[in-house]
Amino acid sequence: EPEVTQTPSHQVTQMGQEVILRCVPISNHLYFYWYRQILGQKVEFLVSFYNNEISEKSEIFDDQFSVERPDGSNFTLKIRSTKLEDSAMYFCASSEKREGYNEQFFGPGTRLTVL
Amino acid sequence: KNEVEQSPQNLTAQEGEFITINCSYSVGISALHWLQQHPGGGIVSLFMLSSGKKKHGRLIATINIQEKHSSLHITASHPRDSAVYICAVRSRTGNQFYFGTGTSLTVIP
Repeated sequence: EPEVTQTPSHQVTQMGQEVILRCVPISNHLYFYWYRQILGQKVEFLVSFYNNEISEKSEIFDDQFSVERPDGSNFTLKIRSTKLEDSAMYFCASSEKREGYNEQFFGPGTRLTVL
Repeated sequence: KNEVEQSPQNLTAQEGEFITINCSYSVGISALHWLQQHPGGGIVSLFMLSSGKKKHGRLIATINIQEKHSSLHITASHPRDSAVYICAVRSRTGNQFYFGTGTSLTVIP
């Protein structure tokens, strides 16, 4: 059964460093999403991506964040200068069609720890 | 401000019990999701609803658009159902996703 994969499973970085979180969505999916979940808190939407551009983003997704689909398979989330409060679990998801009309499939998550 | 409210926050049940988890939301939505988050953190989509009712195995999800309310029912609960169940909605305008804080379910053998 096809699944969304994410690498690494755990990333530890120093404050101020750049990190890139990687996701491989399900191959025939067209819509991609990033969410984060700070430990003990609820899941929060960051951004959705379609046709090589951002389609929606939340207030959390400020200038330090960027997303990219560098090739036909990977979907990345870059955090330019990490802060302590960026420590969280980051989930990637993909869907075949636009959200609202199709379910999303989630990856296992990347746990980011900023020291 | 919480656009999505879930109840209860925590729920402990005996194996075999019928379980109901409730979700209320305050925004106009295009769809509502029920998600299951396992103790290890992974998230699985259980249902996506825009109206009516859906059933999958022992799980049933209903939504009342007029009342802005959804329920997730688990029949004949089993210890492997122990997880956090999350309600999430996509707003009809503004293209935002809102998540509830989750209901932590523990089913005791």
